[in-house]
Amino acid sequence: DGGITQSPKYLFRKEGQNVTLSCEQNLNHDAMYWYRQDPGQGLRLIYYSQIVNDFQKGDIAEGYSVSREKKESFPLTVTSAQKNPTAFYLCASRRLWPDGETQYFGPGTRLLVL
Amino acid sequence: RKEVEQDPGPFNVPEGATVAFNCTYSNSASQSFFWYRQDCRKEPKLLMSVYSSGNEDGRFTAQLNRASQYISLLIRDSKLSDSATYLCVVRDTGNQFYFGTGTSLTVIP
Repeated sequence: DGGITQSPKYLFRKEGQNVTLSCEQNLNHDAMYWYRQDPGQGLRLIYYSQIVNDFQKGDIAEGYSVSREKKESFPLTVTSAQKNPTAFYLCASRRLWPDGETQYFGPGTRLLVL
Repeated sequence: RKEVEQDPGPFNVPEGATVAFNCTYSNSASQSFFWYRQDCRKEPKLLMSVYSSGNEDGRFTAQLNRASQYISLLIRDSKLSDSATYLCVVRDTGNQFYFGTGTSLTVIP
C-alpha cells in the first residue's frame, strides 16, 4: 500500500533529551513537510524539503532539526533547546508537478514531556 | 495578521441541515486552495480542492472569490459522520501551505 508512515505513534521525552520522529513515504513525492499542531491552533510549519539534501526553515524551526538524505525519508529531531515540545507532530508530502498538487499527511506522532 | 482566518465555531446542526463555513486569506498572490477534514486526534485529510469556477462533490460545494480573498464550503443534508473540524488551507506562490485554525462541526441526531 502506498502512503506516509510516522513512528512512533506516542513518544515520551525526558527533560534535556533529544528525540527523533520518523517519517517515511513510498509515494515518490518530491516535497516533505513537518508541522506541529497544538490544541485549538492551526498547523504550524517547522521545516520543509523539496529535494534530497536540501531543506528550509518554517515559521517555528527553533529547537528542531531535520535531514533529507533519501527522497522517501524526512526525520525530525526535537532537541533539548525546544522548551515546549508537547504537541501533535504531522508529516506531509506532495508531488511538485503538476503544480497545484496538495499535501497528504501521515497519522502523526504525539510527543509528551515527562 | 494571520495568513488564513476561519470562524472556529462550534457549529451544532441537526441532521439534514445545510451548513456553510467561510474562510479569508491575506495573500492575494496565493495559488491553490483546499478544504481538509480533521477528525479528533487524527491527521487532516483532503476533502476537496477549491477552483475559481466553484466545484461540487456530492453534498459538498466549494467556492472561491479571489477579489474578496474568500473561500467557502457548503455542506448539504448533513450526516452524523460529517462531525469533524474543517480546515481551510491556502498555498502560496512557493510551496508553503497555510492552515486556518479550523471550524468545528457537530451534527446532532
